[in-house]
Amino acid sequence: GAGVSQSPSNKVTEKGKDVELRCDPISGHTALYWYRQRLGQGLEFLIYFQGNSAPDKSGLPSDRFSAERTGGSVSTLTIQRTQQEDSAVYLCASSPTGARYNEQFFGPGTRLTVL
Amino acid sequence: AQSVTQLDSQVPVFEEAPVELRCNYSSSVSVYLFWYVQYPNQGLQLLLKYLSGSTLVKGINGFEAEFNKSQTSFHLRKPSVHISDTAEYFCAVSDRVSGGSNYKLTFGKGTLLTVNP
Repeated sequence: GAGVSQSPSNKVTEKGKDVELRCDPISGHTALYWYRQRLGQGLEFLIYFQGNSAPDKSGLPSDRFSAERTGGSVSTLTIQRTQQEDSAVYLCASSPTGARYNEQFFGPGTRLTVL
Repeated sequence: AQSVTQLDSQVPVFEEAPVELRCNYSSSVSVYLFWYVQYPNQGLQLLLKYLSGSTLVKGINGFEAEFNKSQTSFHLRKPSVHISDTAEYFCAVSDRVSGGSNYKLTFGKGTLLTVNP
């Protein structure tokens, strides 16, 4: 079946601009995660959505970052007033309930470059 | 909070040689451990996971890992590697998200495995 998809695959923007990154999770997966992968670093947790519960935003690095998940499916990560240090690959993952609830399925990522 | 240390940032090996990628983690009451692989220009894919039970876990593509609680390690091994195993490997530890039944992951910085002919 279809995996997690993300768009765009690449985004180049100028410092100070706002960007929106999109994630389409696997159909039926209740949990959705955003991670950031900077060059030479591991993945950093950003935010987590689970069903209709309030999201866990504990990983968001500043108030310029926000995310929403509409209808329990598609999610958008928004970065306002982008800075050069925001350059990274942004990864989305989703996971199901049931026996495989602790397995996260990752999308291919969006590579963001801030000039 | 959890933390993960991958001791080697790069591991070059020759084809058909054995390989071990090292991973150590900070201790926790309830530890779930994972290895993910990222092939060039692809997303992360789960290799294997340890939740409970047998400390030797087998995954896809002939990889296995052993959970060692006393040494807080979860090293990944393969007895004979192929060119196609060239990829970046990430060790991860679960960290329970408050109020939820799913688990957010804390990742190591990754180990780039390069298999040479």
